[in-house]
Amino acid sequence: DQQVKQNSPSLSVQEGRISILNCDYTNSMFDYFLWYKKYPAEGPTFLISISSIKDKNEDGRFTVFLNKSAKHLSLHIVPSQPGDSAVYFCAASASVNYGGSQGNLIFGKGTKLSVKP
Amino acid sequence: DVKVTQSSRYLVKRTGEKVFLECVQDMDHENMFWYRQDPGLGLRLIYFSYDVKMKEKGDIPEGYSVSREKKERFSLILESASTNQTSMYLCASRQGYGYTFGSGTRLTVV
Repeated sequence: DQQVKQNSPSLSVQEGRISILNCDYTNSMFDYFLWYKKYPAEGPTFLISISSIKDKNEDGRFTVFLNKSAKHLSLHIVPSQPGDSAVYFCAASASVNYGGSQGNLIFGKGTKLSVKP
Repeated sequence: DVKVTQSSRYLVKRTGEKVFLECVQDMDHENMFWYRQDPGLGLRLIYFSYDVKMKEKGDIPEGYSVSREKKERFSLILESASTNQTSMYLCASRQGYGYTFGSGTRLTVV
């Protein structure tokens, strides 16, 4: 049973426009959320995160929004650039211990973003 | 910067071989992880370790084992490689909430 869902396997956007990547979660114990970016043949790299006490976090062209009541978060990239083309993973973590995996990240399946020039 | 180093970027092994994938981190992190990434399936957790000599099964441990004799090194072992273990293998270490990943090992079993 997937606790973190990225329902769009792929997304194509024109350069300069906004990219919006979505992520839903089911576990109300999650209190920290992260986005990772992965290029082919490389490991994922951390992009941006948000704590459950906030509803928005911004870092340059990247903004993450959190809607706790809807158990939904989204990553906005404005403006999108061809170098943003990658797979984006949403991840969630709970600070409480359950199943011996306190703090372990639960990842979504990823969304492949293609930004066309 | 935290560095997580995986010993090989690309490996080709034969069916039935015993395969060792090595991972070393340089920041004294207690938690280390092994994932595999396959198209459409995302990152799937194989094993993790929260201390030396301690290990926990992840979501897909079958056909794999791990070893953590020293804090900085976490090894993934394929006891008898099979073609369905062809994949990208990713090691990570954790401090706080964030993971740092290695560059990955693309393993092909023929």
